[in-house]
Amino acid sequence: AQSVTQPDIHITVSEGASLELRCNYSYGATPYLFWYVQSPGQGLQLLLKYFSGDTLVQGIKGFEAEFKRSQSSFNLRKPSVHWSDAAEYFCAVGATSGTYKYIFGTGTRLKVLA
Amino acid sequence: GAVVSQHPSRVICKSGTSVKIECRSLDFQATTMFWYRQFPKQSLMLMATSNEGSKATYEQGVEKDKFLINHASLTLSTLTVTSAHPEDSSFYICSAHDRDTYEQYFGPGTRLTVT
Repeated sequence: AQSVTQPDIHITVSEGASLELRCNYSYGATPYLFWYVQSPGQGLQLLLKYFSGDTLVQGIKGFEAEFKRSQSSFNLRKPSVHWSDAAEYFCAVGATSGTYKYIFGTGTRLKVLA
Repeated sequence: GAVVSQHPSRVICKSGTSVKIECRSLDFQATTMFWYRQFPKQSLMLMATSNEGSKATYEQGVEKDKFLINHASLTLSTLTVTSAHPEDSSFYICSAHDRDTYEQYFGPGTRLTVT
């Protein structure tokens, strides 16, 4: 069965510092992988996605993620965090056939210190 | 990216009444839509998969008679919470699957409060 693990529930970083949010998945084949960001009371915004090809994916707002098949990971990174990046971040695995369901991780809440 | 709308964005209803939430894909046709529920400070839990012209597929533990889903057209799916109770209060988010991009596009969510 598909599953997604985000080991860090909360992360606090200082503005300007680098960021890495971890995501590990379980899936029978190479899945579709996504990172979303959610501000309080808002819907989800897609940051980036991986379907195939280059394992380093560039997204919006200066984010990138690297798919590592051997580690079943899809970690999100940003070299320099801005105060506006404070939000909840969700990693998701999408089925590549059949129902096309997504399974979401539990989320990581990012706090940015001025 | 594609746009998905939800209506209403917020609703307050009395216990025992029913509430309908609409999800529309505005610029593409969606044969499949999904309904999620999100409790405060928690992740999204998939409730059901809504298929145009057929019955919805519910996830384990979701009461299909309580959460009625109708997907009558390629751009509209509705979720009706029947006989709502305070424990049904939550943030409900829909998404629409785009067959061309294999992506789901998410609506802005509906905050339901049952008093």
